[in-house]
Amino acid sequence: EAGVAQSPRYKIIEKRQSVAFWCNPISGHATLYWYQQILGQGPKLLIQFQNNGVVDDSQLPKDRFSAERLKGVDSTLKIQPAKLEDSAVYLCASSRAGGPGNTQYFGPGTRLTVL
Amino acid sequence: GDSVTQMEGPVTLSEEAFLTINCTYTATGYPSLFWYVQYPGEGLQLLLKATKADDKGSNKGFEATYRKETTSFHLEKGSVQVSDSAVYFCALINTNAGKSTFGDGTTLTVKP
Repeated sequence: EAGVAQSPRYKIIEKRQSVAFWCNPISGHATLYWYQQILGQGPKLLIQFQNNGVVDDSQLPKDRFSAERLKGVDSTLKIQPAKLEDSAVYLCASSRAGGPGNTQYFGPGTRLTVL
Repeated sequence: GDSVTQMEGPVTLSEEAFLTINCTYTATGYPSLFWYVQYPGEGLQLLLKATKADDKGSNKGFEATYRKETTSFHLEKGSVQVSDSAVYFCALINTNAGKSTFGDGTTLTVKP
């Protein structure tokens, strides 16, 4: 089966600009996650969707970050305006369900550089 | 909140050496525990997992046992290969909210 797809793979923007990332999860996976991975650190969960509803967004900086998952399939993560500290790899993952035993499958990530 | 602490790296070993990467956690409830691996140039992938106390996860010669009494999930391999060179992440998913928490990763380099 096809894996989690993400685009773009790389993005360079200047601070205060806006940027959007796209994720297509594995077919049939109800749960979708967005993570931020800063260089040298582990992934940090930004938001978790179950179908098209938000399960957890406690670590999402809502003043500048937004995410949606229309129709419970694809998802977009947007940053506006971007700050220097947003430079990171943004990972999308999906799983069949959201329970603790469910394996998450990760996409290749989008590397964002904010100048 | 939940947290995962991994031994700091980088770790450098010779081929066929024994590997241990320590991982301890703090969580409410009874989390599931995971080891993920990221090979150079590739995405994160699941290496092994354990969903309850005393469970042992194993894959590709790697093992880890869920120790509730010491809140640990140390990764071990009896004989590492050059191809095991990667970054290893310990993670938990909390049963209460299904929220994931990752450690900061340990870089392993295996030399021939």
